[in-house]
Order: sequence, then C-alpha cells, then structure tokens
Amino acid sequence: DTAVSQTPKYLVTQMGNDKSIKCEQNLGHDTMYWYKQDSKKFLKIMFSYNNKELIINETVPNRFSPKSPDKAHLNLHINSLELGDSAVYFCASSQGAGLSNEQFFGPGTRLTVL
Amino acid sequence: AQSVTQLGSHVSVSEGALVLLRCNYSSSVPPYLFWYVQYPNQGLQLLLKYTTGATLVKGINGFEAEFKKSETSFHLTKPSAHMSDAAEYFCAVTSDRGSTLGRLYFGRGTQLTVWP
Repeated sequence: DTAVSQTPKYLVTQMGNDKSIKCEQNLGHDTMYWYKQDSKKFLKIMFSYNNKELIINETVPNRFSPKSPDKAHLNLHINSLELGDSAVYFCASSQGAGLSNEQFFGPGTRLTVL
Repeated sequence: AQSVTQLGSHVSVSEGALVLLRCNYSSSVPPYLFWYVQYPNQGLQLLLKYTTGATLVKGINGFEAEFKKSETSFHLTKPSAHMSDAAEYFCAVTSDRGSTLGRLYFGRGTQLTVWP
C-alpha cells in the first residue's frame, strides 16, 4: 500500500510541450507539497496546499500550475517546458502545515526536457 | 529567515565505523529539525526529528541526533556503519511560526559511502 504515489515515474519530453504530473496520498493528510530536486540534489519547495487551498507559492514561473481537486490529490501542470525544468519532482504530504510538520514523500518523477 | 548548512557533501566511512554527518541551522525562531534519508532512485524517508523536549533524539536504523542550541547544530550519528546506510542524507528545518509556517528548508545533502 503506497502512502504517497506519483505518476509517471519518468517523463521525457520536448521543449515547448505541456505536461502533467499526478500525486495521490492515502494517508488522510490535509496538506500536500511539491518539491523540485535539481541535478545537484538540492531540494526546494514549490507549492503547498492545505485542505485544497494554496498556502505556499514560492518563486516559481507561472508556467507551473498546481491543482488540488481534493485533499488526497495534488497535480502539477507545466506549460511550455524548458530545458531548465529538467529535474526530479517530489510530492509530499503531512498532517497539518505547521507543528512538527513530518512530511511523507513520494518516489519522485524524473522529468527530462530535450 | 531559516537555513541549513551541511558540512561535507561527501562522507566516506568503513563498515563498522562511526558515522557523523554535520548540520548547522540558522533560525530566528525556535526550530523544528529533521533528518531525512534518500536511497538511490527513491523518495525521502524521515530518520528522526526534534521538536521540543529531550535534545538527544533517536531515530530509525540506529541513528540519533543531538540538538545543541548554543552551537545551532543538529549532527547525525550512528555508532557503527552498515553497508545499507549508503545513501544521501538531508538535514531540514522548519518552524510553526510566522512566515516560515509549513516551509521545510533543506540542506544540500551529504552523500554517505560505506566501504566494506
């Protein structure tokens, strides 16, 4: 039983395309996140949703648009993909957005833009 | 503002040797501190965390870390390394206050190699 799942695991696409990554958690958490891990393994938060509402929106190009249809899902849509978007994207979830903030991570989606 | 510095991007130890991974943080409010481990091609898994109370925190797989406020450190240790400990380790900080609420700030990671 996978706690946080992401699809697809690998995504290879051409510059300029639009793509989506899906995330689902079955932990009953109310907060979900998207992180980007670059080629040097640096992890940076992109977005966070709490009860389907956006609560964290870091400095991310507006080509990136998260969507949370319900508490268990947080999808990431990327328009007009660029070479610099190549990275591993991690979804995570937690119970609450603050205190202790233990986050559970998905396996990641490796995006390669050619 | 909060930040994390992990000294040493690569650490190599022999199997059975002490593991010490260093983490220093910067925080203007009482921090919550975490160590996560990432095995190759996998997501991150929580090893241990410090929120309040006892400053020596024990985690999974025999790891522990000590919160030292005076040194703004949260170093990770394990008395005896095992081959299966080879992975990337991330220290992270967050807080339940103000603008940092919900934001988890990661260090740049330390790659641990264990030699037989």
